[in-house]
Amino acid sequence: AQKITQTQPGMFVQEKEAVTLDCTYDTSDQSYGLFWYKQPSSGEMIFLIYQGSYDEQNATEGRYSLNFQKARKSANLVISASQLGDSAMYFCAMRPNTGGFKTIFGAGTRLFVKA
Amino acid sequence: DTGVSQDPRHKITKRGQNVTFRCDPISEHNRLYWYRQTLGQGPEFLTYFQNEAQLEKSRLLSDRFSAERPKGSFSTLEIQRTEQGDSAMYLCASSLAGFPGGNTIYFGEGSWLTVV
Repeated sequence: AQKITQTQPGMFVQEKEAVTLDCTYDTSDQSYGLFWYKQPSSGEMIFLIYQGSYDEQNATEGRYSLNFQKARKSANLVISASQLGDSAMYFCAMRPNTGGFKTIFGAGTRLFVKA
Repeated sequence: DTGVSQDPRHKITKRGQNVTFRCDPISEHNRLYWYRQTLGQGPEFLTYFQNEAQLEKSRLLSDRFSAERPKGSFSTLEIQRTEQGDSAMYLCASSLAGFPGGNTIYFGEGSWLTVV
């Protein structure tokens, strides 16, 4: 069975500092994609970053980077230079590239950025 | 606005009534997904369309739930005889077909349902 685990229900970070949000996953598929989404209080799920399981380089998108460790099945999100607007729920997600199109999500981590 | 749009954004209904949500995906996307999200949880997959064909349904989608995408563009999700346990946010998402574009799904702002 496929599963996403986010062990941090809530995290605090000081404005302008970096923060790491943890994500581990479980899958028997060899080819899959890993994603992070941000959900502010408005409810919209905002796509942040994507990492393919065969990508050798860690993905980066502006202040977001994905620390991908395939052997450990972890896909942690690093947010550099935190801003007040980063306060939101963050979800890690995974989708296999074969056998269906279901993207599964973790339970999320709520990030609070302090001024 | 060229993103995924959902309507209505909020719906309060009495138990036993039927409700329908509409989703308009990003125009060039041929894949469309419905998810349900309850408070404190991540989104749970409900169903998926490629063009007008419904290709996958979750066991979460009971007989009271039906989704359609008649012309391969917009989609509707209908819940019949609503129950209080149906209270949730219903998220629609869309993506391109093929790899790797089809890997990333883009969500709408969701439709909040409250059953009283």
